[in-house]
Amino acid sequence: QQQVKQSPQSLIVQKGGISIINCAYENTAFDYFPWYQQFPGKGPALLIAIRPDVSEKKEGRFTISFNKSAKQFSLHIMDSQPGDSATYFCAASIESQGNLIFGKGTKLSVKP
Amino acid sequence: GAGVSQSPSNKVTEKGKDVELRCDPISGHTALYWYRQRLGQGLEFLIYFQGNSAPDKSGLPSDRFSAERTGESVSTLTIQRTQQEDSAVYLCASSLAPSGRTSSYEQYFGPGTRLTVT
Repeated sequence: QQQVKQSPQSLIVQKGGISIINCAYENTAFDYFPWYQQFPGKGPALLIAIRPDVSEKKEGRFTISFNKSAKQFSLHIMDSQPGDSATYFCAASIESQGNLIFGKGTKLSVKP
Repeated sequence: GAGVSQSPSNKVTEKGKDVELRCDPISGHTALYWYRQRLGQGLEFLIYFQGNSAPDKSGLPSDRFSAERTGESVSTLTIQRTQQEDSAVYLCASSLAPSGRTSSYEQYFGPGTRLTVT
C-alpha cells in the first residue's frame, strides 16, 4: 500500500516558469509534511515543510499548498531556474513515530 | 558545523558476503534513521533509533538486516548474506528528538553508501 503518491514522475519547465509537484496521502494521522530536494550523488536536503494547521507556507521561491480535506499537498517553485533541476520528494510522517514515508520522487528539469 | 557522514561512500561486494555500513550523525542529535533508496525510487524506511528507547525495526525487509547504535553516536547497518536485490543507496539521517517544535524534527541526511552486490 503506497501511503504517499507523488506526481508527475518527471517535469520539464522553461526558465522563469512555475514548477508544480503534487502529492496525496492516505493516513489522516500524518501531521508533518516535508519536501526534500536531491541532486545526483547527494543525500536529500530538506527544502520546506508544513504542518496541517496551516494551508500554505512560503519560503522564497518555494511554496507548499496544503488541502487537509482532500489529503493533498503540493510544491510550487516560482521563477524556476536551471539550478533547481533535481529530484524532489514529498514525505509525510506521524511525528511521534519518527520515520518519514516518501513519495517516489519527481525529476525536474529546468531548461534555460 | 559537520553534517551526517557515512562510510564507505561506495561498496562492491559479492553475493553471499556480509557488509557493514557506518553512519556518524550530527553531534547532539538523539534520533537516527536508516533508509534505502533503490535506483530511480523513493526512500524506504528501514530502522529508527531514538535515545535509549528500543529501536523501531518495522522497516527492515528481512532478518538478514540488522543495525546497532552506540549511545547517541555512531550507527552501523549490517546486511548478512547479501543478495543482488540489496543493491541500493543506503541513507542515514539524524534529527533532534521530536518534541513538538517543528525545527527539532527536521531530518538531515548523509550522502549515502552505494552498495552493489555482484
